Amino acid sequence: DSGVTQTPKHLITATGQRVTLRCSPRSGDLSVYWYQQSLDQGLQFLIQYYNGEERAKGNILERFSAQQFPDLHSELNLSSLELGDSALYFCASSVGGGQQETQYFGPGTRLLVL
Amino acid sequence: SQQGEEDPQALSIQEGENATMNCSYKTSINNLQWYRQNSGRGLVHLILIRSNEREKHSGRLRVTLDTSKKSSSLLITASRAADTASYFCATDRSGGSYIPTFGRGTSLIVHP
Repeated sequence: DSGVTQTPKHLITATGQRVTLRCSPRSGDLSVYWYQQSLDQGLQFLIQYYNGEERAKGNILERFSAQQFPDLHSELNLSSLELGDSALYFCASSVGGGQQETQYFGPGTRLLVL
Repeated sequence: SQQGEEDPQALSIQEGENATMNCSYKTSINNLQWYRQNSGRGLVHLILIRSNEREKHSGRLRVTLDTSKKSSSLLITASRAADTASYFCATDRSGGSYIPTFGRGTSLIVHP
């Protein structure tokens, strides 16, 4: 158990809908990362937050947005969902978000868009 | 395109054998990390090697880094069935903001 929690574990929804994925980092970790893992694209970095502020942005679509709240939990919002958004979404956390830090991954949310 | 690419895509061995997987990347890096992922689960960090290091050990794991060839290898010695998983390398680009980039992974199956 990494100490990172994600809810829900599974999510099935329809195209055009909007969903929110939630992540709670390990106690004491200030940085949160979001990743998307699909069969065709592999594991893609989406976005990183550090202590409530956006720190780095990867391949995140404009239909997706995220935020980190004062209690350090984070939410990833996916809107106007398409079939291709079906994937595993992982959250990871680290202490300070630096390049040499270990990231601890949550168990993921499996999203299926029908 | 992916910064790190693992090779082979899949590897099937018997328990007790060694498993070697490779990672190649394209741009200069500060660090390279290896992770393991059991089917459908989150990634677990295995080892980090800095760009000024050439080799690192952790238990049955040995990682090498050749920055001149932009490649790294992960060796698992005396493999066990429990080592069955996908293995990913992750790199960061030196300079600029930190964006971790993962390869597609090597799927390792260790037969008991």
